[in-house]
Amino acid sequence: RKEVEQDPGPFNVPEGATVAFNCTYSNSASQSFFWYRQDCRKEPKLLMSVYSSGNEDGRFTAQLNRASQYISLLIRDSKLSDSATYLCVAFKAAGNKLTFGGGTRVLVKP
Amino acid sequence: EPEVTQTPSHQVTQMGQEVILRCVPISNHLYFYWYRQILGQKVEFLVSFYNNEISEKSEIFDDQFSVERPDGSNFTLKIRSTKLEDSAMYFCASMRAPGTEAFFGQGTRLTVV
Repeated sequence: RKEVEQDPGPFNVPEGATVAFNCTYSNSASQSFFWYRQDCRKEPKLLMSVYSSGNEDGRFTAQLNRASQYISLLIRDSKLSDSATYLCVAFKAAGNKLTFGGGTRVLVKP
Repeated sequence: EPEVTQTPSHQVTQMGQEVILRCVPISNHLYFYWYRQILGQKVEFLVSFYNNEISEKSEIFDDQFSVERPDGSNFTLKIRSTKLEDSAMYFCASMRAPGTEAFFGQGTRLTVV
């Protein structure tokens, strides 16, 4: 089983709509979680950290469910510029390792 | 805003040659990483580095790979004898403290011919 798994998509989203997708992780020792955004042929850029209590940053909301070992990202009022691949990342202290999921591709269309 | 910088942005090398990819992490960061991404595939962990030692390395990071922090600012990845399958984008990242946000450089595109 992969350490971090994501639905590859693509999620085709009308502009202005809401889209949500999950990521599951297999290692219960994972301590911290993040969502990154990656545009084609560019580096991953931090979108937001994910906290147990859930957190929001503008149109983006992230949730962590440790019992079920999944993380979610919700994007409200989607913009064309939100089209990207969204990468779920888990950190475990042993080895200081950051593990990436395969990414979820989101395409926002007019 | 502090950032991670990588050089060169693109490197073309012949199979069997050695390459060194360079990274300058953010100055007060203590944890350093190399990742690679083959075109169209996922971001793959290569190695984590802290306190001048490798913390963990992946199966990809075999004897042909090595990392070094020679002067307290640069963090380098060396591939001793490149293979065609080493062609990929290589990303360096740094983190201030364990479990905090990691920031990535813009990557070096390595093409082995």
